[in-house]
Amino acid sequence: AQTVTQSQPEMSVQEAETVTLSCTYDTSESDYYLFWYKQPPSRQMILVIRQEAYKQQNATENRFSVNFQKAAKSFSLKISDSQLGDAAMYFCASALDSGAGSYQLTFGKGTKLSVIP
Amino acid sequence: GAVVSQHPSRVICKSGTSVKIECRSLDFQATTMFWYRQFPKQSLMLMATSNEGSKATYEQGVEKDKFLINHASLTLSTLTVTSAHPEDSSFYICSARALMNTEAFFGQGTRLTVV
Repeated sequence: AQTVTQSQPEMSVQEAETVTLSCTYDTSESDYYLFWYKQPPSRQMILVIRQEAYKQQNATENRFSVNFQKAAKSFSLKISDSQLGDAAMYFCASALDSGAGSYQLTFGKGTKLSVIP
Repeated sequence: GAVVSQHPSRVICKSGTSVKIECRSLDFQATTMFWYRQFPKQSLMLMATSNEGSKATYEQGVEKDKFLINHASLTLSTLTVTSAHPEDSSFYICSARALMNTEAFFGQGTRLTVV
């Protein structure tokens, strides 16, 4: 079984500043994947960034980067140069093969990010 | 990225009636589809996982006779809420994944209101 914990229900950041969202997870598997999803007010789930557990290098996508600490089971998301459009709910998720190649996602409870103009 | 279309986006139905929600993968073959339920200001709760041509696997506590899932083709899965009641009002989201692909693509969601 997997669990994903996001300990920050809400965060805020000034526009153009940097913010870090925390996530920890628990799994006994060695092969798994980690994701950050964004859910804006439209409620469409949007993939922000993904990390393969077997890769030591932290994933980066433009202004978004992660700090993946496998031993600590930590997977934080850093948003640089925050923009108003970054305001949303952010969900951390983990996935492992639940059988027949069906990677089932387990979500954290989410962090609501507000961006202050 | 791949596109998953979910329809309808909003539906209001009377208590006791059934409602069908469709989830289509438009440009890839979705061997696995997932159905989630999301309550206001909460996370996504997995209801069931369906593989094309097989019966869906329901999560603990989800009534399979109430939430009928069909995944008859590689591009279409449906969720039917049978004999809907006001407590079934929620936001339902589907996601789809191609074989051995670890990334899931999400539909736009369906807001169901039972009156």
